[in-house]
Amino acid sequence: GAVVSQHPSWVICKSGTSVKIECRSLDFQATTMFWYRQFPKQSLMLMATSNEGSKATYEQGVEKDKFLINHASLTLSTLTVTSAHPEDSSFYICSASWDGHGYTFGSGTRLTVV
Amino acid sequence: AQSVTQLGSHVSVSEGALVLLRCNYSSSVPPYLFWYVQYPNQGLQLLLKYTSAATLVKGINGFEAEFKKSETSFHLTKPSAHMSDAAEYFCAVSGERNEKLTFGTGTRLTIIP
Repeated sequence: GAVVSQHPSWVICKSGTSVKIECRSLDFQATTMFWYRQFPKQSLMLMATSNEGSKATYEQGVEKDKFLINHASLTLSTLTVTSAHPEDSSFYICSASWDGHGYTFGSGTRLTVV
Repeated sequence: AQSVTQLGSHVSVSEGALVLLRCNYSSSVPPYLFWYVQYPNQGLQLLLKYTSAATLVKGINGFEAEFKKSETSFHLTKPSAHMSDAAEYFCAVSGERNEKLTFGTGTRLTIIP
């Protein structure tokens, strides 16, 4: 079945540094990648949608300069949290879609900014 | 635009009892509906999905859901709860294939031994 590998599963970084999260589709080509953020005991909030080779479309209220998304190939998308601050601490999850087959989620990344 | 409402942020059932998790949707186009399960600190696993074929959808781990257009509902059921079913469950909707998913607020299922 379709598998999305997300790394790292957890990361601790210092305030002001940048963190990159990767999502790779292992056995299919992900035409569209979605990035979500989830606060403790809450639902998933869509941050942005990216299509391979195109600029990401950000949801209202999401800072595009802080959350940089790159989808350079059909198997790799990255989310970079720039100049991270403690309020950016959260659980980030990617999801890949492929034509007509639904959505496959990564295992998530727990980001803690200290 | 699409939205889903999950009634009951917490549901507790006894082991062996019926599980019923409620989801109502709103959509301006025929919807695609999904149920996902999430265990702590993990991603989402698809339980089942409705894509305009059969209205009764069978999923993994003994779960099933019925699409009822007249009630705009897509409730998730399982005849007999297991301890391993304890998790967070999310209902989600999209309006078109591969369009973004809109999630409900989730229901935490607790199984009582």
